[in-house]
Amino acid sequence: GAGVSQSPRYKVTKRGQDVALRCDPISGHVSLYWYRQALGQGPEFLTYFNYEAQQDKSGLPNDRFSAERPEGSISTLTIQRTEQRDSAMYRCASSLASGGYYNEQFFGPGTRLTVL
Amino acid sequence: TQLLEQSPQFLSIQEGENLTVYCNSSSVFSSLQWYRQEPGEGPVLLVTVVTGGEVKKLKRLTFQFGDARKDSSLHITAAQPGDTGLYLCAALSNSGYALNFGKGTSLLVTP
Repeated sequence: GAGVSQSPRYKVTKRGQDVALRCDPISGHVSLYWYRQALGQGPEFLTYFNYEAQQDKSGLPNDRFSAERPEGSISTLTIQRTEQRDSAMYRCASSLASGGYYNEQFFGPGTRLTVL
Repeated sequence: TQLLEQSPQFLSIQEGENLTVYCNSSSVFSSLQWYRQEPGEGPVLLVTVVTGGEVKKLKRLTFQFGDARKDSSLHITAAQPGDTGLYLCAALSNSGYALNFGKGTSLLVTP
């Protein structure tokens, strides 16, 4: 596709359920990032992949959050035993490479997660 | 974590007015980026500034990086309703790949 796509766009779940959020990066982009964005605020870094390797997961809030990118393309962010405080917009971004001043990250439209 | 403070938090102006939004920090940055985010969409990169004192222009938008590389400003001339959105500044974290964002300035330009 032309840009980063994410699915589902909206997810409503009940507290305690597991959810899986999908990110399809721009074809050929090596680096993939997950961010979480509260309403009216800037994105907050969660985790980073270089190809299939998860190189940084320091932003994941706790061990209920995990992410994978098994073939170096599509990535899944999984939240187990969801809690109301997990409600947010989850954004994925990809870039051609990692690092560097001019390395542009392209953001997807996000998945709006609501935990009831 | 490098803290980026953006001001003002909200700005509502009439079409044709000029405005400036600010991004400040106590940290020195090797580079700084400005993004615009429209409702329902992800942030889109507008510009990257690298050199202290650097000024970049993008049509009616003028971006400046402070001499000490601790702050930046975005000036919009003759604002249009299409400029409405959330303006975010961001800097690379010490990792060199993750972005740290400010909280943004929410701009509304009314006809």
